[in-house]
Amino acid sequence: AQSVAQPEDQVNVAEGNPLTVKCTYSVSGNPYLFWYVQYPNRGLQFLLKYITGDNLVKGSYGFEAEFNKSQTSFHLKKPSALVSDSALYFCAVRDPFSSNTGKLIFGQGTTLQVKP
Amino acid sequence: NAGVTQTPKFRILKIGQSMTLQCTQDMNHNYMYWYRQDPGMGLKLIYYSVGAGITDKGEVPNGYNVSRSTTEDFPLRLELAAPSQTSVYFCASSYSTGQSTDTQYFGPGTRLTVL
Repeated sequence: AQSVAQPEDQVNVAEGNPLTVKCTYSVSGNPYLFWYVQYPNRGLQFLLKYITGDNLVKGSYGFEAEFNKSQTSFHLKKPSALVSDSALYFCAVRDPFSSNTGKLIFGQGTTLQVKP
Repeated sequence: NAGVTQTPKFRILKIGQSMTLQCTQDMNHNYMYWYRQDPGMGLKLIYYSVGAGITDKGEVPNGYNVSRSTTEDFPLRLELAAPSQTSVYFCASSYSTGQSTDTQYFGPGTRLTVL
């Protein structure tokens, strides 16, 4: 079955330190991968995506993600965390069996807490 | 450019009542989606539409109905509300050429409680 896993419910990091939010996937074929962020009482905001090409993808607000095909991972990273980065982060993969519909399969989400 | 808008923001329903969640996008996107978000469960797709007049079921369609009479609007209907439908509902839209689909953009959500 196609799936996305975010193994950590919560990640805690001190402001100024690097952060990593983990995501692994299990899909057939070449994956289209996405990261979204959700601030409290808000909708999801797109951060970045990997379709093809360079394995390191740069996105909004200084975030980047590295696609690793051998480890089937797409971890989200930022060199220096800000308190304002505290939010709920979702990894998603486009359903490869519904490529003409754009349907996404979401992970369960990881809460990032950045402490001053 | 408002993007994707949803109304209402909050709603409390009694069991058995019905309601329509409204969703409108002004980006001329052809694809639209409805998701529900339950704590610790990520987002589950309820229904989607690839264009006006075309809708299809997602992962969790039971208890819901949709219509797509225009490109801009994609309302979600709950006919007989049940406590299991207590959730946060998100509408999203994207543009597709048929060969590939672009990023989905989300509305702010509707928080629904069924008592």
